Amino acid sequence: DAKTTQPNSMESNEEEPVHLPCNHSTISGTDYIHWYRQLPSQGPEYVIHGLTSNVNNRMASLAIAEDRKSSTLILHRATLRDAAVYYCILRDLMYSGGGADGLTFGKGTHLIIQP
Amino acid sequence: NAGVMQNPRHLVRRRGQEARLRCSPMKGHSHVYWYRQLPEEGLKFMVYLQKENIIDESGMPKERFSAEFPKEGPSILRIQQVVRGDSAAYFCASSPSRTGMNIQYFGAGTRLSVL
Repeated sequence: DAKTTQPNSMESNEEEPVHLPCNHSTISGTDYIHWYRQLPSQGPEYVIHGLTSNVNNRMASLAIAEDRKSSTLILHRATLRDAAVYYCILRDLMYSGGGADGLTFGKGTHLIIQP
Repeated sequence: NAGVMQNPRHLVRRRGQEARLRCSPMKGHSHVYWYRQLPEEGLKFMVYLQKENIIDESGMPKERFSAEFPKEGPSILRIQQVVRGDSAAYFCASSPSRTGMNIQYFGAGTRLSVL
Protein backbone atom coordinates (compact mmCIF):
# COMPACT_ATOMS: atom_id res chain seq x y z
CA ASP A 1 0.00 0.00 0.00
CA ALA A 2 1.15 3.53 -0.76
CA LYS A 3 2.37 5.61 2.18
CA THR A 4 0.37 8.33 3.91
CA THR A 5 1.60 11.21 6.08
CA GLN A 6 -0.47 12.80 8.85
CA PRO A 7 0.28 15.29 11.62
CA ASN A 8 0.96 13.60 14.95
CA SER A 9 -1.68 15.57 16.81
CA MET A 10 -4.25 18.32 16.45
CA GLU A 11 -6.33 20.23 18.91
CA SER A 12 -9.73 21.79 18.45
CA ASN A 13 -12.55 23.23 20.48
CA GLU A 14 -15.88 21.56 20.98
CA GLU A 15 -18.63 22.55 18.55
CA GLU A 16 -16.10 23.79 15.98
CA PRO A 17 -15.19 22.19 12.64
CA VAL A 18 -12.04 20.09 12.41
CA HIS A 19 -9.97 19.54 9.28
CA LEU A 20 -7.62 16.55 9.46
CA PRO A 21 -5.10 16.49 6.60
CA CYS A 22 -3.47 13.50 4.94
CA ASN A 23 -0.75 13.51 2.29
CA HIS A 24 -0.44 10.58 -0.10
CA SER A 25 1.77 11.81 -2.92
CA THR A 26 2.48 8.28 -4.27
CA ILE A 27 -1.18 7.29 -4.55
CA SER A 28 -2.02 5.12 -7.56
CA GLY A 29 -5.07 5.42 -9.79
CA THR A 30 -6.76 2.44 -8.17
CA ASP A 31 -6.15 3.39 -4.54
CA TYR A 32 -9.17 4.23 -2.43
CA ILE A 33 -8.67 6.64 0.46
CA HIS A 34 -10.08 5.21 3.70
CA TRP A 35 -10.35 6.84 7.11
CA TYR A 36 -10.69 4.95 10.36
CA ARG A 37 -10.59 6.22 13.91
CA GLN A 38 -9.82 4.59 17.23
CA LEU A 39 -11.45 5.93 20.36
CA PRO A 40 -9.66 5.31 23.66
CA SER A 41 -9.70 1.65 24.72
CA GLN A 42 -11.79 0.62 21.70
CA GLY A 43 -11.24 -1.06 18.37
CA PRO A 44 -10.87 0.99 15.19
CA GLU A 45 -14.03 2.25 13.55
CA TYR A 46 -14.61 2.97 9.87
CA VAL A 47 -15.34 6.62 9.15
CA ILE A 48 -15.47 7.22 5.41
CA HIS A 49 -13.80 6.40 2.10
CA GLY A 50 -13.54 7.86 -1.38
CA LEU A 51 -11.77 7.58 -4.73
CA THR A 52 -11.90 10.89 -6.60
CA SER A 53 -15.00 12.85 -5.66
CA ASN A 54 -15.72 14.43 -2.30
CA VAL A 55 -17.87 12.25 -0.05
CA ASN A 56 -20.28 12.94 2.78
CA ASN A 57 -21.83 10.65 5.35
CA ARG A 58 -23.42 11.04 8.75
CA MET A 59 -20.05 11.00 10.49
CA ALA A 60 -17.87 13.22 8.35
CA SER A 61 -16.94 14.61 4.95
CA LEU A 62 -13.95 13.69 2.83
CA ALA A 63 -12.43 16.30 0.56
CA ILE A 64 -10.03 14.90 -2.05
CA ALA A 65 -7.60 17.14 -3.91
CA GLU A 66 -7.93 17.25 -7.67
CA ASP A 67 -4.54 15.54 -8.15
CA ARG A 68 -5.45 13.05 -5.37
CA LYS A 69 -2.12 13.59 -3.66
CA SER A 70 -3.84 14.77 -0.49
CA SER A 71 -7.16 14.61 1.26
CA THR A 72 -8.87 16.15 4.27
CA LEU A 73 -11.28 14.56 6.71
CA ILE A 74 -13.78 17.13 7.93
CA LEU A 75 -15.72 16.83 11.16
CA HIS A 76 -18.29 19.56 10.85
CA ARG A 77 -18.99 20.07 14.53
CA ALA A 78 -16.61 18.24 16.82
CA THR A 79 -17.81 16.87 20.13
CA LEU A 80 -15.84 15.43 23.03
CA ARG A 81 -16.77 11.98 21.74
CA ASP A 82 -14.75 12.67 18.57
CA ALA A 83 -11.50 12.65 20.54
CA ALA A 84 -9.61 9.75 18.97
CA VAL A 85 -6.69 8.75 16.79
CA TYR A 86 -7.62 9.19 13.12
CA TYR A 87 -5.95 7.02 10.49
CA CYS A 88 -5.76 7.74 6.77
CA ILE A 89 -5.21 4.49 4.81
CA LEU A 90 -4.93 3.73 1.10
CA ARG A 91 -6.52 0.56 -0.24
CA ASP A 92 -5.99 -0.82 -3.74
CA LEU A 93 -9.30 -1.30 -5.56
CA MET A 94 -7.91 -3.86 -7.94
CA TYR A 95 -6.79 -6.51 -5.52
CA SER A 96 -4.46 -8.73 -7.48
CA GLY A 97 -4.03 -11.52 -5.00
CA GLY A 98 -0.90 -12.73 -3.31
CA GLY A 99 -0.54 -9.69 -1.12
CA ALA A 100 -1.74 -8.70 2.31
CA ASP A 101 -5.38 -7.76 2.69
CA GLY A 102 -4.70 -6.28 6.08
CA LEU A 103 -4.98 -2.56 6.66
CA THR A 104 -1.68 -0.73 7.12
CA PHE A 105 -2.12 1.65 10.04
CA GLY A 106 0.40 4.44 10.43
CA LYS A 107 0.69 6.53 13.57
CA GLY A 108 -2.40 8.57 12.70
CA THR A 109 -3.42 11.95 14.09
CA HIS A 110 -4.32 12.19 17.76
CA LEU A 111 -7.27 14.60 17.86
CA ILE A 112 -7.77 16.42 21.14
CA ILE A 113 -11.06 18.22 21.72
CA GLN A 114 -11.19 20.98 24.30
CA PRO A 115 -14.53 21.66 26.01
CA ASN B 1 -27.19 -7.21 13.54
CA ALA B 2 -24.57 -7.86 16.18
CA GLY B 3 -21.12 -6.48 15.56
CA VAL B 4 -17.82 -8.34 15.73
CA MET B 5 -17.66 -10.15 19.05
CA GLN B 6 -14.38 -10.86 20.76
CA ASN B 7 -13.88 -12.76 23.97
CA PRO B 8 -12.59 -12.62 26.48
CA ARG B 9 -12.20 -8.85 26.78
CA HIS B 10 -9.35 -9.26 29.24
CA LEU B 11 -7.09 -12.27 29.60
CA VAL B 12 -4.33 -12.78 32.14
CA ARG B 13 -1.79 -15.52 31.64
CA ARG B 14 1.45 -16.50 33.31
CA ARG B 15 4.58 -16.95 31.25
CA GLY B 16 4.58 -20.32 29.50
CA GLN B 17 0.80 -20.72 29.43
CA GLU B 18 -1.38 -20.75 26.35
CA ALA B 19 -3.72 -17.94 25.34
CA ARG B 20 -6.78 -18.50 23.15
CA LEU B 21 -8.56 -15.47 21.74
CA ARG B 22 -11.92 -15.84 20.04
CA CYS B 23 -13.58 -13.77 17.36
CA SER B 24 -17.07 -14.13 15.93
CA PRO B 25 -17.42 -12.07 12.74
CA MET B 26 -20.48 -10.08 11.80
CA LYS B 27 -23.31 -12.10 10.35
CA GLY B 28 -22.73 -12.77 6.68
CA HIS B 29 -19.02 -11.97 6.83
CA SER B 30 -16.63 -14.70 5.79
CA HIS B 31 -13.34 -12.76 5.99
CA VAL B 32 -11.53 -12.31 9.30
CA TYR B 33 -8.43 -10.30 10.11
CA TRP B 34 -6.35 -10.22 13.28
CA TYR B 35 -4.31 -7.22 14.41
CA ARG B 36 -2.04 -6.60 17.39
CA GLN B 37 -1.48 -3.30 19.16
CA LEU B 38 1.51 -3.27 21.48
CA PRO B 39 1.51 -0.65 24.28
CA GLU B 40 2.13 2.84 22.89
CA GLU B 41 2.41 1.47 19.35
CA GLY B 42 0.23 1.34 16.27
CA LEU B 43 -1.95 -1.48 15.02
CA LYS B 44 -0.13 -4.17 13.06
CA PHE B 45 -1.78 -6.66 10.74
CA MET B 46 -1.15 -10.27 11.68
CA VAL B 47 -3.25 -12.65 9.61
CA TYR B 48 -6.16 -12.81 7.18
CA LEU B 49 -8.42 -15.85 7.04
CA GLN B 50 -11.44 -17.04 5.17
CA LYS B 51 -13.49 -20.01 6.28
CA GLU B 52 -11.09 -22.96 6.72
CA ASN B 53 -8.27 -21.14 4.91
CA ILE B 54 -5.37 -18.91 5.89
CA ILE B 55 -5.00 -16.42 3.05
CA ASP B 56 -2.19 -14.22 4.34
CA GLU B 57 -0.15 -14.71 7.49
CA SER B 58 2.67 -12.35 6.58
CA GLY B 59 2.30 -10.44 9.85
CA MET B 60 2.29 -13.44 12.17
CA PRO B 61 5.33 -14.13 14.34
CA LYS B 62 7.03 -17.27 13.04
CA GLU B 63 6.76 -19.23 16.26
CA ARG B 64 4.13 -19.82 18.95
CA PHE B 65 1.31 -18.00 17.09
CA SER B 66 -1.37 -19.72 15.04
CA ALA B 67 -4.83 -18.83 13.77
CA GLU B 68 -7.79 -20.73 12.45
CA PHE B 69 -11.27 -20.01 11.16
CA PRO B 70 -13.18 -23.29 11.06
CA LYS B 71 -16.27 -23.98 9.02
CA GLU B 72 -18.37 -23.74 12.17
CA GLY B 73 -17.60 -21.51 15.11
CA PRO B 74 -15.45 -18.48 15.78
CA SER B 75 -11.98 -17.67 14.56
CA ILE B 76 -9.28 -18.49 17.12
CA LEU B 77 -5.92 -16.81 17.62
CA ARG B 78 -3.73 -19.08 19.67
CA ILE B 79 -0.52 -18.08 21.39
CA GLN B 80 1.51 -20.88 22.91
CA GLN B 81 4.02 -20.46 25.72
CA VAL B 82 3.25 -16.77 26.18
CA VAL B 83 6.02 -14.34 27.10
CA ARG B 84 5.79 -10.84 28.59
CA GLY B 85 6.32 -9.31 25.16
CA ASP B 86 3.00 -10.81 24.02
CA SER B 87 1.13 -8.43 26.33
CA ALA B 88 -0.95 -6.32 23.96
CA ALA B 89 -4.43 -5.61 22.68
CA TYR B 90 -5.51 -8.03 19.97
CA PHE B 91 -8.22 -6.87 17.60
CA CYS B 92 -10.26 -8.89 15.20
CA ALA B 93 -12.03 -7.44 12.17
CA SER B 94 -14.39 -8.92 9.61
CA SER B 95 -15.50 -7.92 6.14
CA PRO B 96 -18.00 -9.23 3.60
CA SER B 97 -15.50 -9.24 0.71
CA ARG B 98 -11.85 -8.79 -0.11
CA THR B 99 -12.01 -6.09 -2.76
CA GLY B 100 -10.34 -2.75 -2.28
CA MET B 101 -13.60 -1.20 -1.18
CA ASN B 102 -14.00 -3.56 1.68
CA ILE B 103 -14.78 -1.99 5.01
CA GLN B 104 -13.40 -3.83 7.98
CA TYR B 105 -15.53 -3.90 11.11
CA PHE B 106 -13.57 -4.25 14.31
CA GLY B 107 -14.33 -5.85 17.61
CA ALA B 108 -13.59 -4.25 20.97
CA GLY B 109 -10.43 -6.30 21.35
CA THR B 110 -8.90 -8.70 23.84
CA ARG B 111 -6.34 -7.24 26.19
CA LEU B 112 -3.77 -9.87 27.05
CA SER B 113 -1.59 -9.41 30.10
CA VAL B 114 1.27 -11.82 30.67
CA LEU B 115 2.58 -11.95 34.22
